[in-house]
Amino acid sequence: QKEVEQNSGPLSVPEGAIASLNCTYSDRGSQSFFWYRQYSGKSPELIMFIYSNGDKEDGRFTAQLNKASQYVSLLIRDSQPSDSATYLCAVKSGNTGKLIFGQGTTLQVKP
Amino acid sequence: DTAVSQTPKYLVTQMGNDKSIKCEQNLGHDTMYWYKQDSKKFLKIMFSYNNKELIINETVPNRFSPKSPDKAHLNLHINSLELGDSAVYFCASSQGWGGMYNSPLHFGNGTRLTVT
Repeated sequence: QKEVEQNSGPLSVPEGAIASLNCTYSDRGSQSFFWYRQYSGKSPELIMFIYSNGDKEDGRFTAQLNKASQYVSLLIRDSQPSDSATYLCAVKSGNTGKLIFGQGTTLQVKP
Repeated sequence: DTAVSQTPKYLVTQMGNDKSIKCEQNLGHDTMYWYKQDSKKFLKIMFSYNNKELIINETVPNRFSPKSPDKAHLNLHINSLELGDSAVYFCASSQGWGGMYNSPLHFGNGTRLTVT
């Protein structure tokens, strides 16, 4: 079992729709969770981080964390073509302190 | 005012050569990292330094040797390059290590290494 798992996609949504990106992790001791966005040929950039169970909203983005289910998600409301990118879930291991990345989900927002 | 800068951006070289990638950050962070991103976009940590001390040393060939002359710099030297070393190498930095919560990683623009 991979430490951090994401569906590689591509996930295709129409412009204006809600895009839902999911991530599961194996280390129950994990405390910090991050979502990065990576455009093709560019470096990853931080979108959001979340530490506590529940939802955290920032503009069109909402991160959701459920530690009991070992599940973290990212919702993008009113998706725009400029949101088309690969979204990387990253989890800080409670044992080692390392930031472990998932393989990323490619999102395509069609005009 | 680049936060994390790495050079070169592209590196094309032949098998068996030795090459170095340099990284510098001006964010005042105390922790720096090297990540490797393969063709499937999977980002895997290689090394991490905190205050010039090596704290993460993943299972990578010992042909890869990091060096951190000070908190703001982390270089990566690769000996006897192989075809499988072709990838994008990202430098990153963050503040703090070992606590429950860390500041997020700030990535450099990456070095695309092609070994022919």
